[in-house]
Amino acid sequence: GENVEQHPSTLSVQEGDSAVIKCTYSDSASNYFPWYKQELGKRPQLIIDIRSNVGEKKDQRIAVTLNKTAKHFSLHITETQPEDSAVYFCAARGPPNAGGTSYGKLTFGQGTILTVHP
Amino acid sequence: DGGITQSPKYLFRKEGQNVTLSCEQNLNHDAMYWYRQDPGQGLRLIYYSQIVNDFQKGDIAEGYSVSREKKESFPLTVTSAQKNPTAFYLCASMNLAGVQEQFFGPGTRLTVL
Repeated sequence: GENVEQHPSTLSVQEGDSAVIKCTYSDSASNYFPWYKQELGKRPQLIIDIRSNVGEKKDQRIAVTLNKTAKHFSLHITETQPEDSAVYFCAARGPPNAGGTSYGKLTFGQGTILTVHP
Repeated sequence: DGGITQSPKYLFRKEGQNVTLSCEQNLNHDAMYWYRQDPGQGLRLIYYSQIVNDFQKGDIAEGYSVSREKKESFPLTVTSAQKNPTAFYLCASMNLAGVQEQFFGPGTRLTVL
């Protein structure tokens, strides 16, 4: 099955700096890569995603890049703010299997605790 | 927030007891999922269902059971066979067509005393 590795496990930056979180995946058939943000005690929320037919996607201060050949994707946050402090998870989803029973199954990375210091 | 609800928010259980966690969604989503979250381990898939009356095991199904009798409901039972049940449990739902974003519920924190 799919295996997703996420690094670093913790990341500490000063306000205004950039933050980069990297993930690698094992299944070359995976075609959808979302990033979730989870604040303390809250539910994970999707912040950005990318599909395998796109190399980069940007939404204001957040961007995601995908390298299908190397099987890795990264989250970039620019001009970080204290409210960006949270746990960030990457995930990968493969295509449906022949029986259609694995459609939509996400495999998550271990998470990165991002702390932005004022 | 809203769309997916989980109850209770906190749950305490004695060893040897079964307990059922509720998950309801009013988004008309086809698929529903249960994840377990432990510190430093991300989210691990317990069970998922793409259609009423059908469900599949995820990566850590042992000691858990589910049912999907209605499209909007996907309860999870943590049985006494689950050796280390203390964790944060998250339910999610998703449409199988269209955007296919998974939406999460607020979670239930289960503590075994």
